[in-house]
Amino acid sequence: DAKTTQPNSMESNEEEPVHLPCNHSTISGTDYIHWYRQLPSQGPEYVIHGLTSNVNNRMASLAIAEDRKSSTLILHRATLRDAAVYYCILSPGSGSARQLTFGSGTQLTVLP
Amino acid sequence: NAGVTQTPKFQVLKTGQSMTLQCAQDMNHEYMSWYRQDPGMGLRLIHYSVGAGITDQGEVPNGYNVSRSTTEDFPLRLLSAAPSQTSVYFCASSYPQGFPGELFFGEGSRLTVL
Repeated sequence: DAKTTQPNSMESNEEEPVHLPCNHSTISGTDYIHWYRQLPSQGPEYVIHGLTSNVNNRMASLAIAEDRKSSTLILHRATLRDAAVYYCILSPGSGSARQLTFGSGTQLTVLP
Repeated sequence: NAGVTQTPKFQVLKTGQSMTLQCAQDMNHEYMSWYRQDPGMGLRLIHYSVGAGITDQGEVPNGYNVSRSTTEDFPLRLLSAAPSQTSVYFCASSYPQGFPGELFFGEGSRLTVL
């Protein structure tokens, strides 16, 4: 399975944009890119996913490099509630893709 | 909406005891799974099910059993608890079609084995 590499931790100031990077140099053409986040003492929650094109939703934006070897999760205005561990995950585009493999993620700290 | 409900939220066991972690979802999701999360680590898949009567092993299945007799429920059984099974357990479910999409997680069950 293709692997992802994320920084262990990042800091951001409240109300500023945050760019969380993810490298996935061994991604295959049919792998989807997923982002989940885990708030303290909670289960992970879905943030966004994409295949080739950039994606936007109410929570965040996902920018995917043209060669798909990296992607960036963008939080447009960080709030204190966005402090969490963010996971970048790849999955094959098939029925077995639900078996997501979570790495150690990026711990985001939001400073007031 | 209830979503994915896990019980109990906290449990302390002695080595060798058995117990069942319950997971129920009310979203008619065909796919359900169990993960464990150890301190400072990501989640590791234990078992999963793509529908009633169908289960399969994930990355770390040893010491755990599952069954899926209904769409709603997916219990995780520890047959003989060991200290290495001290962890936080998360149940997740997702839509029957249209994957890749969203995995819905429960709030977790924290298990301590003494």
